[in-house]
Amino acid sequence: GAVVSQHPSRVICKSGTSVKIECRSLDFQATTMFWYRQFPKKSLMLMATSNEGSKATYEQGVEKDKFLINHASLTLSTLTVTSAHPEDSSFYICSAIQRGKETQYFGPGTRLLVL
Amino acid sequence: DAKTTQPTSMDCAEGRAANLPCNHSTISGNEYVYWYRQIHSQGPQYIIHGLKNNETNEMASLIITEDRKSSTLILPHATLRDTAVYYCIVRVKGRDDKIIFGKGTRLHILP
Repeated sequence: GAVVSQHPSRVICKSGTSVKIECRSLDFQATTMFWYRQFPKKSLMLMATSNEGSKATYEQGVEKDKFLINHASLTLSTLTVTSAHPEDSSFYICSAIQRGKETQYFGPGTRLLVL
Repeated sequence: DAKTTQPTSMDCAEGRAANLPCNHSTISGNEYVYWYRQIHSQGPQYIIHGLKNNETNEMASLIITEDRKSSTLILPHATLRDTAVYYCIVRVKGRDDKIIFGKGTRLHILP
């Protein structure tokens, strides 16, 4: 199947700093990418849908100024957690889908710890 | 998307077939049934999907009832590496494409 990568795989940062997470589709062009977060022993929660060249669509309750999403190319989307706080510590997962294809492929996830 | 109902957890002996049920009684005619699994601390992995016919690939088989109100994912010879949370999802192909995850079934493969 198609491969989606994330970088970094884990990151530790200080409270108040910003962290950028990259999501790349390695062998296909992704017109749409999605960002999820997951707390321990919980299911994935969709944060936003990112379409190449347009503004992301955020799910209800997700602060768009807090979680900045940029989908500048067909193979790259970035999630920036701004002014991170300890409660932002979580497992962030992206996924990507190719136009006209049926299946959504997921990245390996990024574990963020805010101290 | 239509909601799905799955058992919270299941056990299966290593080497035996693991049968994971999913109810989706309100599924629409144009909604597909997808299965993903998530091994601990990894991203979800696509397993299989289908519309109304049974499907089989190298990982699993998907059996969908004739009325499409339920389905079963079958792992024919479960191994310890199949221990994971399995998610059954129904969604329309093409439109929107976002996946809303339920709680899934936590499958434990026992040695």
